[in-house]
Amino acid sequence: QSVLTQPPSVSGAPGQRVTISCTGSSSNIGAGYEVHWYQHLPGTAPKLLIYRFNNRPSGVPDRFSGSKSATSASLAISGLQAGDEADYYCQSYDSSLSGYVFGTGTKVTVL
Amino acid sequence: QVQLVQSGAEVKKPGASVKVSCKASGYTFTTYGISWVRQAPGQGLECMGYISTYNGNTNYAQRLQGRVTMTTDTSTSTAYMELRNLRSDDTAVYYCARSHTSSFGSWFDPWGQGTLVTVSS
Repeated sequence: QSVLTQPPSVSGAPGQRVTISCTGSSSNIGAGYEVHWYQHLPGTAPKLLIYRFNNRPSGVPDRFSGSKSATSASLAISGLQAGDEADYYCQSYDSSLSGYVFGTGTKVTVL
Repeated sequence: QVQLVQSGAEVKKPGASVKVSCKASGYTFTTYGISWVRQAPGQGLECMGYISTYNGNTNYAQRLQGRVTMTTDTSTSTAYMELRNLRSDDTAVYYCARSHTSSFGSWFDPWGQGTLVTVSS
């Protein structure tokens, strides 16, 4: 299992706001390593959504936002749309593993 | 535009090796490293390791140490990932991704389209 824990699934109605947590520890997020978020649609390549906790690459709508607390990070999706149905992963560096790690992944369902 | 194009699907027998290529275009190859990530069926994303395209330095995931080798050919802007002694649980889609690095970690953008490697007897 990953050292970054995410809820297996979250859901919301169109237009609602959902948040996805990414819980780490003192060897990754708590140590100051940055968290990044990816959207992964089945059969396609993962897409960078948020980098360095709360920065959006060009082309990513401002409905997506990131935040950080002591040993965790969160991704918020506001104004939920059908096209947001996908798997979402957080990613960071872990000093105890001396490598990069992904979270366990969260499936977002639009009701 | 920045693009990473990977080689095609492979079917291998247990114990064999596979080498996946990742050709970069649209940027100066040696200014960003390349990371490799895989996803087994029904599983999440797993970081396999990283290679500096500048000096060839590598960092492999602990669980793959001894079985994986990452290389680059700067003359063709191509990165390679070779995995040896394949097992059935190596069946996965393998991705390459351009690595952006800060003082506090790296992130991956863009990604290649993925290469399905199937290990079956």
